[in-house]
Amino acid sequence: NAGVTQTPKFQVLKTGQSMTLQCAQDMNHNSMYWYRQDPGMGLRLIYYSASEGTTDKGEVPNGYNVSRLNKREFSLRLESAAPSQTSVYFCASSEAPGGSYNEQFFGPGTRLTVL
Amino acid sequence: DAKTTQPTSMDCAEGRAANLPCNHSTISGNEYVYWYRQIHSQGPQYIIHGLKNNETNEMASLIITEDRKSSTLILPHATLRDTAVYYCIASYNQGGKLIFGQGTELSVKP
Repeated sequence: NAGVTQTPKFQVLKTGQSMTLQCAQDMNHNSMYWYRQDPGMGLRLIYYSASEGTTDKGEVPNGYNVSRLNKREFSLRLESAAPSQTSVYFCASSEAPGGSYNEQFFGPGTRLTVL
Repeated sequence: DAKTTQPTSMDCAEGRAANLPCNHSTISGNEYVYWYRQIHSQGPQYIIHGLKNNETNEMASLIITEDRKSSTLILPHATLRDTAVYYCIASYNQGGKLIFGQGTELSVKP
């Protein structure tokens, strides 16, 4: 099992450019999440998808959109990148919210710089 | 979700027990205490969780006070590879959201 995979690993954008971060999991998990982590800070939840076909805002959703393409894949889109979106982005997945407990499995992260 | 408070940093000697405290005085009755750690900018890793009773697994032990207002994560024999940021999170099992705070940066020293 690859677990949670993210592409790309690194990306540099210019202000105003758009891009999509890809995330896939092979653990048949129902729930998926996108977080960002700024230097010296904890992770902050951007969006999450409790199950296929549903998405909800987290703590910091402004400037982002998400798509739960199918059960395996959850993408994060920046429509018009800004320097404030320079961060490390982590994708995670877990069993259904009603599962026995909330162990989230994280991907390796995408390091994004917006110039 | 209840707010948690942790010390910013701690040191521990290799081979000794590392005791990481966490305050969660506003925790509600059905919120669990979760611990995750993040090693050198990798994705966080689940360690342990508990509701009322003390818990132990192959990685650590979790001690929750009777009033549930605080807890302690214990790494019984810390190694250099345990150097990481440790996050204490109060969360419902239902809903699945984890709110990460600043965490405690644990440095295990030889």
